[in-house]
Amino acid sequence: DTEVTQTPKHLVMGMTNKKSLKCEQHMGHRAMYWYKQKAKKPPELMFVYSYEKLSINESVPSRFSPECPNSSLLNLHLHALQPEDSALYLCASSQRDIGDQPQHFGDGTRLSIL
Amino acid sequence: QKEVEQDPGPLSVPEGAIVSLNCTYSNSAFQYFMWYRQYSRKGPELLMYTYSSGNKEDGRFTAQVDKSSKYISLFIRDSQPSDSATYLCAMSDSWGKFQFGAGTQVVVTP
Repeated sequence: DTEVTQTPKHLVMGMTNKKSLKCEQHMGHRAMYWYKQKAKKPPELMFVYSYEKLSINESVPSRFSPECPNSSLLNLHLHALQPEDSALYLCASSQRDIGDQPQHFGDGTRLSIL
Repeated sequence: QKEVEQDPGPLSVPEGAIVSLNCTYSNSAFQYFMWYRQYSRKGPELLMYTYSSGNKEDGRFTAQVDKSSKYISLFIRDSQPSDSATYLCAMSDSWGKFQFGAGTQVVVTP
C-alpha cells in the first residue's frame, strides 16, 4: 500500500460527463503533482501545486481543472474529455517544495473515455 | 535529443541472475537521481534515491551514479520472478525540473 491514496481506482465516463479524481496524502508533504501515463510510456507531468498554490501547468487543456483545497488533498476535475484522454492518472507528493525529491506516487486512477 | 536516455528493453534474465539497468543524461544540472519500479496497473514505487556520485546499497539493490560521465545504474542481485516489472530512472535539478527515462521492462524467468 502506498502513502498517497487515489480514488477512484477505475473510472469510465462519457465525453459529456463531469467527474473528479481525488488524491490524499498524510505525510505532511507540501508539493503535490498530477501526471498522465499512457501505456508503455513514462508519466508526463500535468500540474504541480506547491504550498497549495498552482506552480506549474504544463500547457494542459482546460478540460482538466486541478484544485488543492488543503495541504493533504488534491483534486482533478474532468469535463468534456476526449477518447485520447484515456490513461492512468497518477498523483505524487514530495516533502517540501517543487524542487524537493523524491516524489512518492499513488497507484493511480485508470480512466476510460467512451 | 532526449535529456534522459533509457533502453526500453525488454530485458529478459533467468532467476538468480544480476539485472543491470542504466540511464544516461545530458543535463549537468541534474543532481537528484531516483529509480522507480512499476508493476502493471500500479503507480511507480520508489526503490532508490541518491544525490551524489558513488554507490548506494539497499538489500539486493545497488544504485550507482557517475556525474562525470552523466551515467546512472541500478543492479538487482539474485533476481526473482517478482522483480519482473518496468524500471524507471528519474532525475531532477534543484528548481523542480524533473525527468523520467522511458522505462525498461524486465522479465525474470523461473
